[in-house]
Parts: sequence; structure tokens; C-alpha cells
Amino acid sequence: GQNIDQPTEMTATEGAIVQINCTYQTSGFNGLFWYQQHAGEAPTFLSYNVLDGLEEKGRFSSFLSRSKGYSYLLLKELQMKDSASYLCAVRDKRWDYKLSFGAGTTVTVRA
Amino acid sequence: DGGITQSPKYLFRKEGQNVTLSCEQNLNHDAMYWYRQDPGQGLRLIYYSQIVNDFQKGDIAEGYSVSREKKESFPLTVTSAQKNPTAFYLCASSMAVTVYEQYFGPGTRLTVT
Repeated sequence: GQNIDQPTEMTATEGAIVQINCTYQTSGFNGLFWYQQHAGEAPTFLSYNVLDGLEEKGRFSSFLSRSKGYSYLLLKELQMKDSASYLCAVRDKRWDYKLSFGAGTTVTVRA
Repeated sequence: DGGITQSPKYLFRKEGQNVTLSCEQNLNHDAMYWYRQDPGQGLRLIYYSQIVNDFQKGDIAEGYSVSREKKESFPLTVTSAQKNPTAFYLCASSMAVTVYEQYFGPGTRLTVT
């Protein structure tokens, strides 16, 4: 396994920006995924990073630094529907390319 | 409409009974997975299958069993040997294990009393 750490909870105001950090430790890194999960529902894919840098997709952006074992998910122009849990997952080629998930960060958007 | 279906959404069983959770996908994906999610914890991998008639144990396989007789189907049996079976179970699939993202089904919430 591997250590994947992300904050448990974050709160932000509608229209604001929130940055969710994720740190990991692995020597077989083969990609990092961010998923969004609303309560009681399935996770849905948001982004994938395998090289260093920023990937932008609409209001959501994800950044990766492999040397630091660090990623963040940036949510801009927050909307009430963005209230959800955000899961960071790392794929490791040492472990048959399986995904290891962090515990998730619950984001609450307030009016 | 392509996707992954899991049924039922909610399942209740008495302790000591085996129960099978279904997972079907029509995405033509080779790889399929079963995860368990408990409050405050990340998804934990139970079993995965890279191809028909083949599957491997994940991190928490004890008390569970699977089969992969068809590409579209990957049922999970929760046996009476599983000590804490009450959880939210998620099935996922991907084109291959080594690349691409995983797509998740809607999940089955199993309660054992």
C-alpha cells in the first residue's frame, strides 16, 4: 500500500475558489486521479495527471509535482452542487497498476 | 446507453448468510473491480479482474469471493466469514488495468444484522 493524505473537510463560499491538496508516497508512481463523489452515489472521474504540471478542465484544474509527491485539485467559481467528497487516487505500477485511494475531502459550499 | 449497473441499491441480510452482489457493464471493458467504502475511509480494493476467467485478490479479499465467467459480469459474494460486512460496495470497470480511468457503478449498500 501507500500513504495518501488529504484534508478531511473544507468549507467555502459560493463563487469562491477552493484548493484540495493530496500528498502521496510511492516509488512506482503511474498516475494520479481525482474523483468527485456525492453522498451515497458513485465516484465520477474528474481529472488525471501523469506528468508534472497543471491540467485545466473548465472550472476544475489539477496540478501534479512528482518530485514532491504532491497534487492539488482547484475548484473555481464554486457552486452549491460542488458540495461533495473529492477523492485522490494514485496508480502504482509496483502493485499491478492498482489504484490506492485517499480517505476523501468533504467540501461544503455555503451560500 | 453505456454504463455499469449494480443491483440492488440496498440489501439487508441476517448474520451468517452469504449474499451475492451483482455488477454488469456494457462498456466492453476488460478490467473490473470491487471496492468497499466505509465512513471516513478511502475505497479499499477487494478483488479485481483483468480479463475473463481470471481475477486477483485486492487488499481486503478475506471473506469475499468473485467469478468472471463473462466479460460483462463480475458478481461479488460476501460470505459469512466476512467479519464486518456492512458497508457500501462499489463496482468499477476500465478498458485495461494499466491505463485509463475507472468508471463506477451506483453502488450497493449492504446491511447485515
